[in-house]
Amino acid sequence: GENVEQHPSTLSVQEGDSAVIKCTYSDSASNYFPWYKQELGKRPQLIIDIRSNVGEKKDQRIAVTLNKTAKHFSLHITETQPEDSAVYFCAAAPNGAGNKLTFGGGTRVLVKP
Amino acid sequence: DTEVTQTPKHLVMGMTNKKSLKCEQHMGHRAMYWYKQKAKKPPELMFVYSYEKLSINESVPSRFSPECPNSSLLNLHLHALQPEDSALYLCASSQDFRVYEQYFGPGTRLTVT
Repeated sequence: GENVEQHPSTLSVQEGDSAVIKCTYSDSASNYFPWYKQELGKRPQLIIDIRSNVGEKKDQRIAVTLNKTAKHFSLHITETQPEDSAVYFCAAAPNGAGNKLTFGGGTRVLVKP
Repeated sequence: DTEVTQTPKHLVMGMTNKKSLKCEQHMGHRAMYWYKQKAKKPPELMFVYSYEKLSINESVPSRFSPECPNSSLLNLHLHALQPEDSALYLCASSQDFRVYEQYFGPGTRLTVT
């Protein structure tokens, strides 16, 4: 089955700096890669996703890049703000297996004012 | 209505009790999911319902019994749980099982004493 590894497990950045979280996956059949943000005590929220036919996607301060050859994808947050502090999870879903997400272990991001 | 709702928010039960968790969505989604999330870990898939039929059971112990009475409602019946079953139980939905974007409810925090 699919295995998703996520690094780093914790990330501390100064407000205004950029944050980068990296994930690798094992199943070359995976073709959907979402990112979820989970604030303390809250639900996971889908913040951005990318499909395997796209190399990069941006939404305001958030961007995701995908390298299918190397089987890794990354989340980039620019101009970080204190409200970006949360746990971020990457995930992967294989083609043909419907919507069965495999999550990475999570990254706890702390943005220091 | 663009939300997934879950009740109760918190539940404390003894190992001999029978209780149920409830999940509801009114977005017309035809796929619904139960996840279990332990502290500082990613969500783990338990069950998937597609068009009110159970399509995935991730080898979950029989003390957890899912039910999908209609397309808007998903229940998780609990019986004879163990303390290690204490976790956040998350419900999610997607348009259907072929559509990737999953939206999570706020979860039920379950404590088994």
